[in-house]
Amino acid sequence: DAGVIQSPRHEVTEMGQEVTLRCKPISGHDYLFWYRQTMMRGLELLIYFNNNVPIDDSGMPEDRFSAKMPNASFSTLKIQPSEPRDSAVYFCASTPTLGDNEQFFGPGTRLTVL
Amino acid sequence: AQSVTQPDIHITVSEGASLELRCNYSYGATPYLFWYVQSPGQGLQLLLKYFSGDTLVQGIKGFEAEFKRSQSSFNLRKPSVHWSDAAEYFCAVGPAGFQKLVFGTGTRLLVSP
Repeated sequence: DAGVIQSPRHEVTEMGQEVTLRCKPISGHDYLFWYRQTMMRGLELLIYFNNNVPIDDSGMPEDRFSAKMPNASFSTLKIQPSEPRDSAVYFCASTPTLGDNEQFFGPGTRLTVL
Repeated sequence: AQSVTQPDIHITVSEGASLELRCNYSYGATPYLFWYVQSPGQGLQLLLKYFSGDTLVQGIKGFEAEFKRSQSSFNLRKPSVHWSDAAEYFCAVGPAGFQKLVFGTGTRLLVSP
């Protein structure tokens, strides 16, 4: 089991550019979560999906953020246009429907917007 | 709404000393409770979890936690800290039947020689 896979691990971009973060959940997991972690705000849930359908996107900060899950093995988080305040570590996590709510986290993508 | 409070932002412990990290939660029913650890530059790793039954749960790396319903607490303990335990620790609560978790703000553990 490869665990949750995220790419890229590091991303440096300039303000105004589009940024796409990618996540592959653990096979068989029906739930996928996107989190953002900063020093100021800690770990924040941005959005989560169940069976590829967005369930709760109330944590998405602005319209500049969007997330998709076109199939059970792939999700993207897009920021367009990016701003320096978007600099953070973005984590993806997954969990199966039947189980004990344990979430399995990916290694994260460290985003720096200059 | 569920919430989790970790009152200690930083804790410094001498290597070999005992450790207790505090976690208080707010939830109407018995929740699922978790402790995760995050080493620098890494994702979050599950240390232990509680759902029901014995209120003292054992986890990986020699950690344990005790659920106290009367105090709405789920404190993490370790009898003897190792330098490799230096990391950030997150308590989380999840309502039974729902997959969403609410995380605390984390406690950063520093281990002094």
